[in-house]
Amino acid sequence: DVKVTQSSRYLVKRTGEKVFLECVQDMDHENMFWYRQDPGLGLRLIYFSYDVKMKEKGDIPEGYSVSREKKERFSLILESASTNQTSMYLCASSHQVRGTGELFFGEGSRLTVL
Amino acid sequence: GESVGLHLPTLSVQEGDNSIINCAYSNSASDYFIWYKQESGKGPQFIIDIRSNMDKRQGQRVTVLLNKTVKHLSLQIAATQPGDSAVYFCAAGNTGKLIFGQGTTLQVKP
Repeated sequence: DVKVTQSSRYLVKRTGEKVFLECVQDMDHENMFWYRQDPGLGLRLIYFSYDVKMKEKGDIPEGYSVSREKKERFSLILESASTNQTSMYLCASSHQVRGTGELFFGEGSRLTVL
Repeated sequence: GESVGLHLPTLSVQEGDNSIINCAYSNSASDYFIWYKQESGKGPQFIIDIRSNMDKRQGQRVTVLLNKTVKHLSLQIAATQPGDSAVYFCAAGNTGKLIFGQGTTLQVKP
């Protein structure tokens, strides 16, 4: 079975702190994604990557950056956390090369920014 | 911009009845559609998907119907069980990106 692992299930950070959310997948998938999930807004795409060292902006990239140094790992970075970034963050991966296919999700990282 | 919306935020059904969750999408170029189930505290889990060259696809107790003319997607769950209680998301996409709807909460009454 595909496994997408997010390193932290729950984090509490202070405003202005730098936050790293790590995601690792074990099925050699080309594509990786970061979404945030908020009540009433569904899942919104922050960034995605089709290959190592490649990244593309999603619908809400402001305040975030990403890093993909290895194929299996995709990190989401909040350079200076703000309270409006309190959310559930979901990492996902898919195999489809430059196409659209099933996303395999991690269990999520719930971030609270105080 | 592109959008995907579900018709009802909450659906309540009796155990054993069939459930139908509806979804509308805006981008006529969407060529891939998928339904996810999300239980409390967990990540979304795949239920069923369908590509734009099909109108219907069946899985175990689930059926997805696609009407490209009116840009409408539905998920049918047969003989709904208490374990089906969850939030259901539809998503539509092309070129690798999926746009998700807001989710419908399915409540199953015993």
